[in-house]
Amino acid sequence: GNSVTQMEGPVTLSEEAFLTINCTYTATGYPSLFWYVQYPGEGLQLLLKATKADDKGSNKGFEATYRKETTSFHLEKGSVQVSDSAVYFCALSDQGNRDDKIIFGKGTRLHILP
Amino acid sequence: EAQVTQNPRYLITVTGKKLTVTCSQNMNHEYMSWYRQDPGLGLRQIYYSMNVEVTDKGDVPEGYKVSRKEKRNFPLILESPSPNQTSLYFCASKNGGDYNEQFFGPGTRLTVL
Repeated sequence: GNSVTQMEGPVTLSEEAFLTINCTYTATGYPSLFWYVQYPGEGLQLLLKATKADDKGSNKGFEATYRKETTSFHLEKGSVQVSDSAVYFCALSDQGNRDDKIIFGKGTRLHILP
Repeated sequence: EAQVTQNPRYLITVTGKKLTVTCSQNMNHEYMSWYRQDPGLGLRQIYYSMNVEVTDKGDVPEGYKVSRKEKRNFPLILESPSPNQTSLYFCASKNGGDYNEQFFGPGTRLTVL
């Protein structure tokens, strides 16, 4: 079945450091891939997405490239800020799913120190 | 403003006392879903609905009920809550299609004593 695996946290970095959060997936079809972010006390919100192989999603300085050959969608940011502290979820949606379901990874908590 | 609203945001109740958490969206979305979020387990889908009068079980449906009488509303019902249902609950909605993002409500923190 379909699944998403992302690196366990928490991840703690200093401000302006480079960020990578790894995400790999298993899918039977041709999934769309997403990164969602959850700020403290809030619901999840879409950060970026990619709908086909080699697409790059980007938003707020974050990027992720859909790599079909490695079944990965790693999240990167060149210089993190304290305000990036949040929980990040990798997710996929597979058009082969009858139920139109989005499958989430378990989330990675990110702490940015000033 | 396009949004998903949930009520209440916080609830403390006792075992066995029926409760309903409401969810409403103003984006005319077909698809709605309920999740629970627990430490170390991430988000788990409870129930989903692909359209009015169409609901189906997610990964952890036991102890929950839902209904979808109108497109905008998708209440979550706990007929006889138990302490293992203490959790953070999120309602979400989206248009059909695998490339569409889900919009999440702000969450309901439920404690069952």
